[in-house]
Amino acid sequence: AQTVTQSQPEMSVQEAETVTLSCTYDTSESDYYLFWYKQPPSRQMILVIRQEAYKQQNATENRFSVNFQKAAKSFSLKISDSQLGDAAMYFCAYRSDQGGSEKLVFGKGTKLTVNP
Amino acid sequence: SQTIHQWPATLVQPVGSPLSLECTVEGTSNPNLYWYRQAAGRGLQLLFYSVGIGQISSEVPQNLSASRPQDRQFILSSKKLLLSDSGFYLCAWSVGLALNEQFFGPGTRLTVL
Repeated sequence: AQTVTQSQPEMSVQEAETVTLSCTYDTSESDYYLFWYKQPPSRQMILVIRQEAYKQQNATENRFSVNFQKAAKSFSLKISDSQLGDAAMYFCAYRSDQGGSEKLVFGKGTKLTVNP
Repeated sequence: SQTIHQWPATLVQPVGSPLSLECTVEGTSNPNLYWYRQAAGRGLQLLFYSVGIGQISSEVPQNLSASRPQDRQFILSSKKLLLSDSGFYLCAWSVGLALNEQFFGPGTRLTVL
């Protein structure tokens, strides 16, 4: 079974600075998808960024980018120019590409605090 | 546009009482539907998912059950709640390919006393 590990329960960053959140996963599959979700205090889960495992190029969405290292099974999230609104729980998630495997496997999350 | 609704938003129930949480999706057809539970300080745990009406897959043995009586309706139930059922319950939907994101509802905070 696949597992997702987020080794940083909490992180903090100064406004306008850059922070990197770590995520590692364990799988025997070669094709899969990885996601970062954000959960602000409102508890609404919001997709931040996603990556297909077959793509070598790291995904980027505005101030958010990932460092995907397939061999190391690592999928870190970098937030540049941090803003107060980035404060939230961040969850890394894995989804298999195999048919019938519809579920997302989540890590336990990292709580990000942004200091003004 | 698609929207997902969950109710109630909060619920306080005594141990041993029944439970019914409802999730409905609008603006899409034949979605995959999911129930997650988020315990305090922990990540999301998938409880059930459904790829069609009447089709339910259970991920963990537990005190809960799920049903999908209509294409865009997903219900989480229990006959007798346990203290350990307390948590934040999220419903989600997706369509199409595995790359497609799951869209989450606003959640239900359940407290079992």
